[in-house]
Amino acid sequence: GDSVTQMEGPVTLSEEAFLTINCTYTATGYPSLFWYVQYPGEGLQLLLKATKADDKGSNKGFEATYRKETTSFHLEKGSVQVSDSAVYFCALSDTGSARQLTFGSGTQLTVLP
Amino acid sequence: DVKVTQSSRYLVKRTGEKVFLECVQDMDHENMFWYRQDPGLGLRLIYFSYDVKMKEKGDIPEGYSVSREKKERFSLILESASTNQTSMYLCASSDRDGSRSNQPQHFGDGTRLSIL
Repeated sequence: GDSVTQMEGPVTLSEEAFLTINCTYTATGYPSLFWYVQYPGEGLQLLLKATKADDKGSNKGFEATYRKETTSFHLEKGSVQVSDSAVYFCALSDTGSARQLTFGSGTQLTVLP
Repeated sequence: DVKVTQSSRYLVKRTGEKVFLECVQDMDHENMFWYRQDPGLGLRLIYFSYDVKMKEKGDIPEGYSVSREKKERFSLILESASTNQTSMYLCASSDRDGSRSNQPQHFGDGTRLSIL
């Protein structure tokens, strides 16, 4: 079945540092890929998505590129802020009428001032 | 903005009780989902529904059931609560996909359920 593997946390960075959170996936078809973010005490919010190979999703300074050849969708940001502290989830969407999501285990990011 | 509302943020119940978790969305979405979130395991799908009165099992349906009598409301039921069902429960909804789009899921803030 489908699966998502993302780097284990927690990750602690200083403000303005460069961020990479690795995500790789296994899927039988051609899934869509997502990054969701969960701030403390809240539900998940969509951060960015990519629906086909070589697509780049971007939002709020975060970027991720759908790499079919390496089955990866790594999240990057050039300069993190304290407000980026959250848990980040990589996910893929299977085909089907309701498009269920398969999630990675999540990566806790803490940014220190 | 899409609003997904879960009826309780925190809930404490006893072993053997029947527990109802309610979720309401205000955007006329066809699809609704229930997940549980546990440390180190990410989110795991319990049940989902793609239409009124329709339901499909997710990855971990054992010990749970669901009800969708109205389009905007999706209820998760723990038939006889057990301590291993202590978890964070998240509800989500999404629109039916268009021909070129892949609609994202919108999440509620979660219900932290403790079974004693």
